[in-house]
Amino acid sequence: AQSVTQPDIHITVSEGASLELRCNYSYGATPYLFWYVQSPGQGLQLLLKYFSGDTLVQGIKGFEAEFKRSQSSFNLRKPSVHWSDAAEYFCAVAVDNYGQNFVFGPGTRLSVLP
Amino acid sequence: DTEVTQTPKHLVMGMTNKKSLKCEQHMGHRAMYWYKQKAKKPPELMFVYSYEKLSINESVPSRFSPECPNSSLLNLHLHALQPEDSALYLCASSHEPERSYNEQFFGPGTRLTVL
Repeated sequence: AQSVTQPDIHITVSEGASLELRCNYSYGATPYLFWYVQSPGQGLQLLLKYFSGDTLVQGIKGFEAEFKRSQSSFNLRKPSVHWSDAAEYFCAVAVDNYGQNFVFGPGTRLSVLP
Repeated sequence: DTEVTQTPKHLVMGMTNKKSLKCEQHMGHRAMYWYKQKAKKPPELMFVYSYEKLSINESVPSRFSPECPNSSLLNLHLHALQPEDSALYLCASSHEPERSYNEQFFGPGTRLTVL
């Protein structure tokens, strides 16, 4: 069965520092991969997605992610974190099933120090 | 219009009440979803509607009853809930359900408290 792991439950970085959030997936076929961000009490906003082509994907808010098939990873990066980036980040994989079914990772909470 | 709206934002109900959550989108999406999210956890899929037909029901208790009156609207009818049903209920939608690479667009959620 497909699964998504995010090894880091909570990460704290200083404002202006670089950021990398890890995501690993387990899925037999070509995965469709997504990163979402959720501010407290809010819905989820898509940051970026990968489904084919260039393995380095650019998203909104200065985020990017790199798909590495050999490592089954889709890590999210940002070169310089802003205080407003503090939120919960979810990696997700889409199961190739009619009716579409996302499998979310457990999430990584990002705190940003001033 | 590129958003999913949900009403109400907050709902407090007793265990004997009947209430409904409403979700609306006008993006022409043909798949709509209900998720339940507990604090500090990822969203858990409850139901999926594809072309206004229920296509996935993730073994949700019958006290939750979904309804899709048309392609823009999705309701979740609640009856005889338990305190452990208190959570953030998220609605989402996406283009053609058969295209798994389509992202889901999420609403802001309804915060439900069951007393």
